[in-house]
Amino acid sequence: QKEVEQNSGPLSVPEGAIASLNCTYSDRGSQSFFWYRQYSGKSPELIMSIYSNGDKEDGRFTAQLNKASQYVSLLIRDSQPSDSATYLCAVTQGNTNAGKSTFGDGTTLTVKP
Amino acid sequence: DAGVIQSPRHEVTEMGQEVTLRCKPISGHDYLFWYRQTMMRGLELLIYFNNNVPIDDSGMPEDRFSAKMPNASFSTLKIQPSEPRDSAVYFCASSSHGKLFFGSGTQLSVL
Repeated sequence: QKEVEQNSGPLSVPEGAIASLNCTYSDRGSQSFFWYRQYSGKSPELIMSIYSNGDKEDGRFTAQLNKASQYVSLLIRDSQPSDSATYLCAVTQGNTNAGKSTFGDGTTLTVKP
Repeated sequence: DAGVIQSPRHEVTEMGQEVTLRCKPISGHDYLFWYRQTMMRGLELLIYFNNNVPIDDSGMPEDRFSAKMPNASFSTLKIQPSEPRDSAVYFCASSSHGKLFFGSGTQLSVL
């Protein structure tokens, strides 16, 4: 079992729809959870972080965390073609300010106009 | 701040040659990470440093790989000798409060 697993995708949604990206992790001691967006040929960039159970909203993005189920998700509302990218889930063990992040393999999202 | 700076952006070399990748982290970040990304294996952590000290190098694939961080503003990843299977994009990232900031990466091709 991989430490961090994501839907392999690809995921295709029409413009304006909600895109739902899912991630599960195996280490119950994980404390910090991140979503990175990576455009083709570019480096990953952080778009969301979440540390406690529940929802965290930032503009069109909502991250959801359920530690009991070891599950993290990212919702993108009103999806735009510019959201087309690979989304990487990352989980950090240990102290919030330290430690290494383990990445999932990513889910490729395509938003069709 | 200019962000994490990596060089070179592209490196093409022949099997057996030495390759050195360079990274300048964001000033004030006390963690530095080296990742490798391939289609087959995704984003893999190779090694990371805290305050210039290597903390975990368990991801370094073989003795052919070595990394140093002589000061807070510079790190190198060296591959000697290089092999075709080392071809990948190598990312350096520095961290603030667990949030990673990636450099543009080095696209390495070993022929």
